[in-house]
Amino acid sequence: GENVEQHPSTLSVQEGDSAVIKCTYSDSASNYFPWYKQELGKRPQLIIDIRSNVGEKKDQRIAVTLNKTAKHFSLHITETQPEDSAVYFCAARVAFGNEKLTFGTGTRLTIIP
Amino acid sequence: DSGVTQTPKHLITATGQRVTLRCSPRSGDLSVYWYQQSLDQGLQFLIQYYNGEERAKGNILERFSAQQFPDLHSELNLSSLELGDSALYFCASSVTGVGGNTIYFGEGSWLTVV
Repeated sequence: GENVEQHPSTLSVQEGDSAVIKCTYSDSASNYFPWYKQELGKRPQLIIDIRSNVGEKKDQRIAVTLNKTAKHFSLHITETQPEDSAVYFCAARVAFGNEKLTFGTGTRLTIIP
Repeated sequence: DSGVTQTPKHLITATGQRVTLRCSPRSGDLSVYWYQQSLDQGLQFLIQYYNGEERAKGNILERFSAQQFPDLHSELNLSSLELGDSALYFCASSVTGVGGNTIYFGEGSWLTVV
C-alpha cells in the first residue's frame, strides 16, 4: 500500500519568514496530493491540493510543488503569521482501486512572533 | 462548517464497554471514511464505505466494525474497549470514491476510555 513520509516533524520559524514542509510517497499510481491544517482539538481542514498533471499550485501565501519523478511534494508558506501555527498533514491518494487518503505523520509548525 | 456531522462530540466510557459513533456525510457525498487520531499522533485510516458498501480497509481492529446505511449515514462500533482506544475519531466524506475528490472532515468524536 501507499506510504507517505513527512519531514520535519516540528518546525519553528520567525514571523514573516517562509516555512517548507516536505513529503515523499511510495505508490507511483498516486495522483492526488492534498494538504490539511489541523489546529489543536479541531478537525483537519484542506488548505491546498494538487493533482499529478500539475507541477505547482499557488493560493495566496501557500504553494505546493510536485515532483512525480522523485515522488515528492512540498508545502511552502510565505510571509508566515501567528495564525499559521498548527499541525500540517500531507496526504496521497491512488486514483482507482484503493481510494483512501494516506496521511503523513504531520508537522507541528510554530510561528515565533 | 464542513457539512459532515458527527455525534457524540465527547464520550467517556469504561473498559470493556461498547460504543457507537455516528456520522452524517455532506449532502450528496456517497463516500464515508473513518480515521482515528490518538493524542499527538497522525491520522490512521480505519475504513471507507461507498454508497453502502465497504470500499477500503485500513488497520481496523477486529473489535471495531462499521457500516453505511441506505440514507448514507455511517456508524462506527467499538467494542471491548481498552484504554488504548482513547482517541479522536474523525468521519470524513467525499462526493465519490474516485481519486481527486476533496475529502471533508467532521469535527470528530472524542472517546475517553477509563
